[in-house]
Formats: sequence, C-alpha cells, structure tokens
Amino acid sequence: DTAVSQTPKYLVTQMGNDKSIKCEQNLGHDTMYWYKQDSKKFLKIMFSYNNKELIINETVPNRFSPKSPDKAHLNLHINSLELGDSAVYFCASSQEGYSKGAFFGQGTRLTVV
Amino acid sequence: GNSVTQMEGPVTLSEEAFLTINCTYTATGYPSLFWYVQYPGEGLQLLLKATKADDKGSNKGFEATYRKETTSFHLEKGSVQVSDSAVYFCALNPPTGNQFYFGTGTSLTVIP
Repeated sequence: DTAVSQTPKYLVTQMGNDKSIKCEQNLGHDTMYWYKQDSKKFLKIMFSYNNKELIINETVPNRFSPKSPDKAHLNLHINSLELGDSAVYFCASSQEGYSKGAFFGQGTRLTVV
Repeated sequence: GNSVTQMEGPVTLSEEAFLTINCTYTATGYPSLFWYVQYPGEGLQLLLKATKADDKGSNKGFEATYRKETTSFHLEKGSVQVSDSAVYFCALNPPTGNQFYFGTGTSLTVIP
C-alpha cells in the first residue's frame, strides 16, 4: 500500500521532447510537492501546491509546470527537455499543521540524451 | 529566513563506531525538525522528528535532541552498522505554512 507513488521510475528521452511524470498520494494530505535531486544529492524544491495556492520556486524554468487534476494527484510536465534536466525527481506530500513531516515517493530518474 | 546547515560529508566509519552528524538551523519561531534517510536508489524516509524545544526524537537507534538555545538538531547513533550506509538529510518545517527546508545531505558509509 504505497503512500506516495510516482511513475515512471526511469525515463530516458531525447533533448527537445516533452514528458510528464505522474504522482499520486493516498494519505489524504492537502499539500503536494516536487523536488529535484541533482547528482550531488542536493534537494531543490520546485513546487508546492495545495488547494489554496501554488508556490513556485522562482529559479525553476517555466518549461516545468505542475498540473493537479485533484487533491490526490500532482503531475509534473516538462517541455523542451534539456540535458541539464537530467536528475532524480521526487514527489512528496504532507498535511499542513500536522507536523508528521513530508512523505516521499520513490523518485523518477530522468535522463536526457 | 528559514534554512538548514548540515556538516559536509562524506563520512566513513567502521562498524560499531559512534556517529554524529551536525545540523543547525535558522528559523522564525519554533519549527518542527526532522531527519530523513535516503538509502541507495530509494526515496527519502522519515527517520525521526521533534516538534518542540528539548524534545528528543529517536528511531532505529538514532537520536536527535531539539536544542533551541544552540539552534541545533544533531543526529547521533551509538554503534553504526553497515546497513546504516545512506544519505542523511536534516529538515525543518516552519510553524506557519507548509514548506520543508532541507540541508544538503550527508553521505555515510559504514565499513565492516
């Protein structure tokens, strides 16, 4: 019973393509996130989203866009992929005011060739 | 602003050695503090947490105490095992809003 699941686990694609990564959480949390982890394991927040607001890290290129069809899903769309987009992308969720921390998916390793 | 500073790795220890990974934070008010662990090829898992000053979080032999006076949340384990080899992240959640701020991660390798 996976709490936060994301697909695919691996994604290899060519430069210039458009791709999506899906994320679903079954925890009933009100907030979902996308993080990018680079080769040095540094975690960078890209977006956080709940039913009230989308907070965008201003350093994220506008080729990246989150789409939330409902409270349990937050998908990540990436247009015109570049070599530098290669990284591991993590989806996470949490409940505001609950202090139980954020729950992470297993990650999607994106390789742009 | 809010930020987390972790000691840089990598850290290499022999089995049964004592582990300390330092973490200090900057925050407004009283944040919740967390340690996450990332095993190779996996996502981050919550290891332990503390929500107020002097709280001690503990799990799997790891401990960390929320020290308001030194704004620290150092991770300790008395006797590490090879299976503890992973990357450890310190994180904070401010008292208002629902953002998480992570440190840069500390890679730990335990050798037999």
